[in-house]
Formats: sequence, C-alpha cells, structure tokens
Amino acid sequence: NAGVMQNPRHLVRRRGQEARLRCSPMKGHSHVYWYRQLPEEGLKFMVYLQKENIIDESGMPKERFSAEFPKEGPSILRIQQVVRGDSAAYFCASSLGTPTDTQYFGPGTRLTVL
Amino acid sequence: AQKITQTQPGMFVQEKEAVTLDCTYDTSDPSYGLFWYKQPSSGEMIFLIYQGSYDQQNATEGRYSLNFQKARKSANLVISASQLGDSAMYFCAMRERAAGNKLTFGGGTRVLVKP
Repeated sequence: NAGVMQNPRHLVRRRGQEARLRCSPMKGHSHVYWYRQLPEEGLKFMVYLQKENIIDESGMPKERFSAEFPKEGPSILRIQQVVRGDSAAYFCASSLGTPTDTQYFGPGTRLTVL
Repeated sequence: AQKITQTQPGMFVQEKEAVTLDCTYDTSDPSYGLFWYKQPSSGEMIFLIYQGSYDQQNATEGRYSLNFQKARKSANLVISASQLGDSAMYFCAMRERAAGNKLTFGGGTRVLVKP
C-alpha cells in the first residue's frame, strides 16, 4: 500500500496526558501537512512540514502542540497535556510540493480525551 | 469573510440521477486551485477532482465534473449517475498560491443517495 499511513487510527487519552500521532507520507512525497477536523466541521490547517523543516505553522495552537518531520521516520504531531477540546480527527496529507500538486490524505487518527 | 462556502448542509439524490454540489470561494489571488474531496462514513478523505485558476477547460474525472465559473467564483461539483456508494460528506477546498500550500476547506455537504 503506497498511500499515506497514519497510526494509531484511534487514540484515547485522559486529560493531562500526552498524545503522539504518526504519519508516513506516500512514497516519493517529501511534504507533509496536518489538519484537524472537529465533529461536523471541515478540516482546518495546522502545520506544513518538509523533511527537518517547518514551513508553515500558522494554524498550530501556540501552546501544547508541536510537530516534526525528521530526516528518517514518520512525521509526528505531539499534543502535550491534552484537554477535552483536543478531541477531534487529525488528518495527515502528503504531496510532492509542486505549485499545482494534490494533497493525498491518510485515514486520520481519532483522538478522544476523557 | 468565509474563503470557501458550501451552502447546502445536506441533500438527497435518487440513485442514477445527477447531483450538483455548490461551492463558492473568495480570493484576490489570481493563482489558486480548487479541490473536491469525499469523506465516507468510514472517515477517510478521498481526492476527487482538481481545477486550476488558469485552466481553460472544466475538469472531469469519470463521473465527476467541475462546473468552474471564474467570474462568479464558483466551483460546483457535478456527480453523474449517482450510486449508493456516493453517499458521503463532500468538501470543497482551495489553495491560494500566496498562502503557500495549505488547503482551506468549506463546511461540507452531506449527500445521501436513495435507492
């Protein structure tokens, strides 16, 4: 399967714990994007990364959220000290990074904060 | 102002009929792209079709076509010969060149195909 991989698919955390969401892009893609979808809403952009660089983090909350895309391994979205409002579906997308290319999405991680 | 507006929260369509999903957008960037994605109940986001702002022809992909009216800033998705498997949420999204590669999504339209 050469698609975008995300794991875990479902993640349950208690308030105050940390959540780590992983994303492996499509083969050949070096650009990764993270989006958040609240129930019954569209997706909202969070962050755009290339290998070892954050290109645009204009949609990231200022506190508790961080993202990385290391030289080796998947991209990680990390949420520290989770709160109930963090409950959402988190989608990763990848692309080639050209001006007209398409972003292909992974299956998402559904985070539930108890 | 909303950058992407989908005014139809939900709609029913009879199997084998065509359905049009509305999408209007707001941008002053002359270079932009418009995308449609499908989200079935299983939750994944599936890319359907793309239209670039400089494309002269309306985009088509199988049963999907995009009715692009640049002056009206609309990019409606037409699904022909609806199938039961077309029941899903449909999202319109825009990428503006000046804003980088991020996508801005509309609120979505839920389509239910009736047998």
